[in-house]
This record gives sequence, C-alpha cells and structure tokens, in this order.
Amino acid sequence: GQNIDQPTEMTATEGAIVQINCTYQTSGFNGLFWYQQHAGEAPTFLSYNVLDGLEEKGRFSSFLSRSKGYSYLLLKELQMKDSASYLCAVRDLRIQGAQKLVFGQGTRLTINP
Amino acid sequence: KAGVTQTPRYLIKTRGQQVTLSCSPISGHRSVSWYQQTPGQGLQFLFEYFSETQRNKGNFPGRFSGRQFSNSRSEMNVSTLELGDSALYLCASRADRVQETQYFGPGTRLLVL
Repeated sequence: GQNIDQPTEMTATEGAIVQINCTYQTSGFNGLFWYQQHAGEAPTFLSYNVLDGLEEKGRFSSFLSRSKGYSYLLLKELQMKDSASYLCAVRDLRIQGAQKLVFGQGTRLTINP
Repeated sequence: KAGVTQTPRYLIKTRGQQVTLSCSPISGHRSVSWYQQTPGQGLQFLFEYFSETQRNKGNFPGRFSGRQFSNSRSEMNVSTLELGDSALYLCASRADRVQETQYFGPGTRLLVL
C-alpha cells in the first residue's frame, strides 16, 4: 500500500524561510511531486523529483532522498501570497504507462506579516 | 495553450440522483485522470483514461464510473448519490510521456443534500 505523511499546518513570517517535510512509503515509486493549492482553487504544479537531490526553481526548492522515503519543499523569501496548502504526491507506476498520484493530506501554510 | 476545463463548476444534487461531470484536457494531452478531494480524506485517485480506455482505477465503489471520447474529453458519472459524495472533483491531464506532469482543472464542486 501507500502512506504519505506531511504536517497538517505550519506558520511562518513574511520574508522568512520555511521547510515542509514529506515522508512516504509506497511500492512502485516513480517520482514525487509538490503542488500548491489556494483555497477553493485547483492544485498547481510546483516541482518534480525522481532522482535524489535538490531541484531549485526560483524561490522554491524540492529535495528527495529515495532511500529514506523523504522529501521536503523549501520556500524562501516568503510572501503573503504563499499562504496555501502544499500537497506532496507520489507517483505509482506499477502499471506500465498508467499513472496514479497518491497524495498526502496537505500542509496548510499560513504566512504572517 | 488553454488549460484543463471542467463543467459544471458547481452542482447541487439530492441523495439517490446521478450526476455527470465533464473534463476537457489541454490540447494534445491524451491522458485524463480524475480525483476526489474532501476535507477528511484529501485528494484521492478515482481513475485514469487514455485512448478511450481505463488504465488505472482507485478504490471507489462501482457507482463511480467514467469514459473518454476520441477527442480525449472525459466524463465521470456518479450514480445513486450519497451525502458522502459531496466533494471537489478534479480532473488532470498530461501528454502521456512517462515523466510528464499532470495539470489540474479548476474542479467541480458537488454538494449532495
């Protein structure tokens, strides 16, 4: 089966840095995604990791360690608009070509001025 | 390029009724996946379609079904609605190269009374 854990809520201050952790246990692992979802809106793609290491994209970075079943999303220079839920999702590719994303419950991040 | 579109955006039904939701993927995308999002369960995978064939299915009862047309547009149907079916239903499309990211539509918010 699959199990993905991430903190339910986090709070940070505008201009600071925050790290959102995600741990997973799954078979058929074929990549980990981070999505951002503002209240009432659809998830939007932030980052994708399939190999170990750090992927940097502007203010956002994502890290993966496959051996530890661990990832984190790092947000720098926080802005008020970064207040949202952040979803960690693991891709299960046991069926060739088929794709199933298994999502964590999401981390609700609140940015305070 | 236009994004994923879903219709209707909001829907109110009563228990026992059925509902059909529609999704138009990004032009050129041939894979469509459906997800259910609720506060308690988070985002859960329903099924994935490619070339009019269901390739993958989540753990939902048979009341949930879907199909895909030759133009890649997809519909999902829920029969005999229950109160617990109230949720945000999200559709995501991808081009179907193995490492391609899924892009989500705005969702259909279904309320069952």
